[in-house]
Amino acid sequence: DTGVSQDPRHKITKRGQNVTFRCDPISEHNRLYWYRQTLGQGPEFLTYFQNEAQLEKSRLLSDRFSAERPKGSFSTLEIQRTEQGDSAMYLCASRGTSGTYEQYFGPGTRLTVT
Amino acid sequence: RKEVEQDPGPFNVPEGATVAFNCTYSNSASQSFFWYRQDCRKEPKLLMSVYSSGNEDGRFTAQLNRASQYISLLIRDSKLSDSATYLCVVNKNTGNQFYFGTGTSLTVIP
Repeated sequence: DTGVSQDPRHKITKRGQNVTFRCDPISEHNRLYWYRQTLGQGPEFLTYFQNEAQLEKSRLLSDRFSAERPKGSFSTLEIQRTEQGDSAMYLCASRGTSGTYEQYFGPGTRLTVT
Repeated sequence: RKEVEQDPGPFNVPEGATVAFNCTYSNSASQSFFWYRQDCRKEPKLLMSVYSSGNEDGRFTAQLNRASQYISLLIRDSKLSDSATYLCVVNKNTGNQFYFGTGTSLTVIP
């Protein structure tokens, strides 16, 4: 499968714990996005990487959230001191350099904070 | 004001019906527009891009009205498999941020 992959697919954690999610984009795509989606809402932009550079961050990304893409390939999203309000689907998407803006999404990581 | 607004529905239509969704956006400098489809508990998947001249893909037609800042999606001859949530997506004028609507829920009834 050459699509976007995410790991884990599901994560249940207790409030206050740290969690880390991984995203592997389509191999030739240099642009990578993280989104958060809650029930009944569309995906909300969190952050954007072009290669290894994090170029944009949403105000939604509080200081408990950090994202990295150290070698310009896979990316990680870490949430520290999780809160119940962090429960959501975390989606990763990648985009190529062909000049179009079409994004391809991974299956997401569903986080439940108890 | 939200960047992208959609009627959440739900739209319940019989098989074979024609259904249309609209979406309005607030940033007049937006350059790229898309419709994505999302099935329950799945990731969004690109349905079609929306071009200024309008575009058609089989039973699906997308149109852009820049003057009124809305895009539309028309589905003809609805199939049961069209049941899903349809997300309107607009990019920020810098090109690197994308705004999604809340989605419009469609159920096609036998």
